[in-house]
Amino acid sequence: AQSVTQLGSHVSVSEGALVLLRCNYSSSVPPYLFWYVQYPNQGLQLLLKYTTGATLVKGINGFEAEFKKSETSFHLTKPSAHMSDAAEYFCAVSPMIYNQGGKLIFGQGTELSVKP
Amino acid sequence: GAVVSQHPSWVICKSGTSVKIECRSLDFQATTMFWYRQFPKQSLMLMATSNEGSKATYEQGVEKDKFLINHASLTLSTLTVTSAHPEDSSFYICSARSGGARVNEQFFGPGTRLTVL
Repeated sequence: AQSVTQLGSHVSVSEGALVLLRCNYSSSVPPYLFWYVQYPNQGLQLLLKYTTGATLVKGINGFEAEFKKSETSFHLTKPSAHMSDAAEYFCAVSPMIYNQGGKLIFGQGTELSVKP
Repeated sequence: GAVVSQHPSWVICKSGTSVKIECRSLDFQATTMFWYRQFPKQSLMLMATSNEGSKATYEQGVEKDKFLINHASLTLSTLTVTSAHPEDSSFYICSARSGGARVNEQFFGPGTRLTVL
């Protein structure tokens, strides 16, 4: 079984500051890991994903995340926050087994606020 | 590429009526579509998984007779909320997954806001 825990339902940073959103997962099989962003009243947009290979994954809008198997973590970072980064962020895990249907298990979400 | 649309984007209906929400993959064939429900300030809850041409697989606790899902073609899935009640008010989001190299990636629609009066 898979599960995802996002530490902190709300994170507030100043514009230009480092963004760090934490995600820990539990999976009985090798996982695919994802970060999605959701703006108000919209669907989800993929920021980045880890499947195999390089553990440091770069995504859109300057975000990146590092898969750390030993820590079962996939934290999302961005060196310098922008006002437009204010949104809800979801970490998700999917088992790396096709015949399990590719279901995504989402974390609770972290709301990112950016102060001017 | 990989665009998913939903229609309508918002709907208001009276209690007891049925509402149909469409989910379309615009530029790819979706072998699998997923339906999620999201309450305010909460995460997405998977309701069901539908594969083209077969019956949907519902998650535990989701009433299949209440939430009818049809996946008649590789580009269209519909969710019908039957005899809707105020507690069914929510944000419904679909996603679509293609086969091939991107089999593990889901593309999300913009969501449908349902309000039942």
